Amino acid sequence: KAGVTQTPRYLIKTRGQQVTLSCSPISGHRSVSWYQQTPGQGLQFLFEYFSETQRNKGNFPGRFSGRQFSNSRSEMNVSTLELGDSALYLCASSEGANNSPLHFGNGTRLTVT
Amino acid sequence: GEDVEQSLFLSVREGDSSVINCTYTDSSSTYLYWYKQEPGAGLQLLTYIFSNMDMKQDQRLTVLLNKKDKHLSLRIADTQTGDSAIYFCAERTDSNYQLIWGAGTKLIIKP
Repeated sequence: KAGVTQTPRYLIKTRGQQVTLSCSPISGHRSVSWYQQTPGQGLQFLFEYFSETQRNKGNFPGRFSGRQFSNSRSEMNVSTLELGDSALYLCASSEGANNSPLHFGNGTRLTVT
Repeated sequence: GEDVEQSLFLSVREGDSSVINCTYTDSSSTYLYWYKQEPGAGLQLLTYIFSNMDMKQDQRLTVLLNKKDKHLSLRIADTQTGDSAIYFCAERTDSNYQLIWGAGTKLIIKP
């Protein structure tokens, strides 16, 4: 099975712009979670989607949003980018049950200048 | 609140065993996970253990769980240079579907 695929791998944006990141989960996985990873804050949970519905949400401002499509692919959008949004954004998929481990993609490195 | 703690660094000699430790606070944990992150990559699931188990072994990896002390460890036998990475432990609990993550332990291999 192919693993979790995230595109693009790298992005450079300017403060105030918006950005959309994409994630294709492992085939058959219905849950997709998004994380932000920075050296100072570690892994921070953004949100989780299951069967096209947001099931859980972390403590991020409304500028961060996401969605999931019927084929389980997910997108994450950040509007009005700030310098502090520079981070590695990780997507993880799972089968969705409570005991299902997360499988991560290689992430999208976002740099905001 | 719920918390997972790990040491930030561990330095071992090539060929020795590495033991990475993790402590957690929530006694309602169900599953505990170990992930490995190499530079520039995402997190790779190494192994996980159900909370009613004491030990799990998978080739060079041994996971030990002491539920009474809320202590989890990952032992890597015969540590190689390819084991250089950051190792994260994570806890899933009954009360919180989302994983609670440690800050990660950077494993440094000395020749």
